[in-house]
Amino acid sequence: GGIITQTPKFLIGQEGQKLTLKCQQNFNHDTMYWYRQDSGKGLRLIYYSITENDLQKGDLSEGYDASREKKSSFSLTVTSAQKNEMAVFLCASGDRAHEQYFGPGTRLTVL
Amino acid sequence: GDSVTQMQGQVTLSEDDFLFINCTYSTTWYPTLFWYVQYPGEGPQLLLKVTTANNKGISRGFEATYDKGTTSFHLQKASVQESDSAVYYCVLGDSGYNKLTFGKGTVLLVSP
Repeated sequence: GGIITQTPKFLIGQEGQKLTLKCQQNFNHDTMYWYRQDSGKGLRLIYYSITENDLQKGDLSEGYDASREKKSSFSLTVTSAQKNEMAVFLCASGDRAHEQYFGPGTRLTVL
Repeated sequence: GDSVTQMQGQVTLSEDDFLFINCTYSTTWYPTLFWYVQYPGEGPQLLLKVTTANNKGISRGFEATYDKGTTSFHLQKASVQESDSAVYYCVLGDSGYNKLTFGKGTVLLVSP
């Protein structure tokens, strides 16, 4: 088995601040993902990466940057945090059979 | 593009009740469909996978089937337990085997 580790678990930021979320996986999967989860809206894909140094935009990429530094790690940057924003950001990794494995999430609050 | 619709935002049951959650999907591809489950404080995890080859999946007492004619996909369980309380997502896989499209989720609350 493997595990997805997300840091930090809780992130509190100020309006306009640049914030970075980190994700590590030890499944040795090629593909990694960042999703945003808002209450009542399901999961929306922000970015994904099919290999090291690759980046693909999802449906919600505006306002975010991402970086796949190496196969096991994938970071997401909120380029300018929006006041009163609250969401959970979920990282996942996946194999070619569509199955994705998720981390526990980073909960963002912007004051 | 691909889309998934879950109409039931919340389902409230008592233990031993029958569970039925439905969703509809839209895609131009032969779909691979999933149900993911998310427990409080955790990320979603795969519950069931159904492909066009088998039309049905079974896991942990849950059964999922899909109907190509009506493009619907449902999840059922004969007798729910309090521990089944969670959010259930209907999910559609893309033709490139890279992306998943999630429905908005159905909150299942089971009282003892």
